[in-house]
Amino acid sequence: GENVEQHPSTLSVQEGDSAVIKCTYSDSASNYFPWYKQELGKGPQLIIDIRSNVGEKKDQRIAVTLNKTAKHFSLHITETQPEDSAVYFCAATRFWGGSEKLVFGKGTKLTVNP
Amino acid sequence: DGGITQSPKYLFRKEGQNVTLSCEQNLNHDAMYWYRQDPGQGLRLIYYSQIVNDFQKGDIAEGYSVSREKKESFPLTVTSAQKNPTAFYLCASNLGQGALDTQYFGPGTRLTVL
Repeated sequence: GENVEQHPSTLSVQEGDSAVIKCTYSDSASNYFPWYKQELGKGPQLIIDIRSNVGEKKDQRIAVTLNKTAKHFSLHITETQPEDSAVYFCAATRFWGGSEKLVFGKGTKLTVNP
Repeated sequence: DGGITQSPKYLFRKEGQNVTLSCEQNLNHDAMYWYRQDPGQGLRLIYYSQIVNDFQKGDIAEGYSVSREKKESFPLTVTSAQKNPTAFYLCASNLGQGALDTQYFGPGTRLTVL
């Protein structure tokens, strides 16, 4: 089945620097790759997603890149701010039980130091 | 105000007791999901439902049960058969039509077994 590896598990940056989180997946049939941000004690919120027919997508300070050949995708946050501090999860689809499901990475705890 | 609500926010259970976690959505979504989140872990799928009166086991269904009598509601029961129930439980939903689309999460319920 699908397996999603996420690195690093923790990341600390200075305010204004860039942060990059990387994920690899195993199922070549995966076609949808969302990224979620989870603040302490809350549910995850979608921040950006990408489908397999696109190589890159950007939304203001956040971008995601996808390399289907290498089966990896990355989240890029530029000009980081303290409010970007949270746990970030990547996910990839797998087809199982007659429908698509999401398989999640284990998360990256991002700390932005002022 | 549309979205997913979960209740209670915190729940304490004595060993040997069954408890039911509530999940309600007013997004008119067909598909609903229950995930379990443990510290330092990604989200693991417990049960999912693509349509009313139908549900399927996820990766870690043992010790849990669900029902889907109404489109808006997908309650999760944690039974006494679940050996390690202390965790953060997240409910999610999406349109559920065809390819996987954005999955929206509720705020979560933190269950602690005393």
